[in-house]
Amino acid sequence: GQNIDQPTEMTATEGAIVQINCTYQTSGFNGLFWYQQHAGEAPTFLSYNVLDGLEEKGRFSSFLSRSKGYSYLLLKELQMKDSASYLCALRGGGGNKLTFGTGTQLKVEL
Amino acid sequence: GAVVSQHPSRVICKSGTSVKIECRSLDFQATTMFWYRQFPKQSLMLMATSNEGSKATYEQGVEKDKFLINHASLTLSTLTVTSAHPEDSSFYICSARDLEGLRTGELFFGEGSRLTVL
Repeated sequence: GQNIDQPTEMTATEGAIVQINCTYQTSGFNGLFWYQQHAGEAPTFLSYNVLDGLEEKGRFSSFLSRSKGYSYLLLKELQMKDSASYLCALRGGGGNKLTFGTGTQLKVEL
Repeated sequence: GAVVSQHPSRVICKSGTSVKIECRSLDFQATTMFWYRQFPKQSLMLMATSNEGSKATYEQGVEKDKFLINHASLTLSTLTVTSAHPEDSSFYICSARDLEGLRTGELFFGEGSRLTVL
């Protein structure tokens, strides 16, 4: 089976940097994804890691350590519009389906 | 990126009626689509994997006779909630992968359908 853990809530200041952690256990690993979801909307893709290391994409970066079962999403130069839920998702355990964590609700304040 | 469209975006129905939700891939063909359900302040829970031309694969605990899935073409999957009850009220989201997504695993999501059963 699979198990994914993320903090429930985080608060950060506009312009700052925030790191959202995700730890996981899985019987088979085939990629880790981060999605952003605003309230009442569908998730949108942010990043994908399948190898260890850092993937950078503009203000967003994602890091993966497969040996530690650990990933983080780094958001730089925070903007108010970044207030949303950030979902860590695993592909693995057989098949191509994604399993989502419970999400981290990020609140960006002035 | 690829576009997935879902309809209706909101639906209110009486208890005991059936509701059909459509999911279309607009600019690509999707042999596989995924149906998720999300309750307030909770994450997405995979309900079933919809396979074009064959039966859907349901996750444990999801009643296949209650949540009927039909994937009749490469661009359309439908989810029918039969004999809906208030506890079925939720946000239903479909997703699909395009060809590049088969390699990366990236999913494109529809806009979601909010079902309210009175």
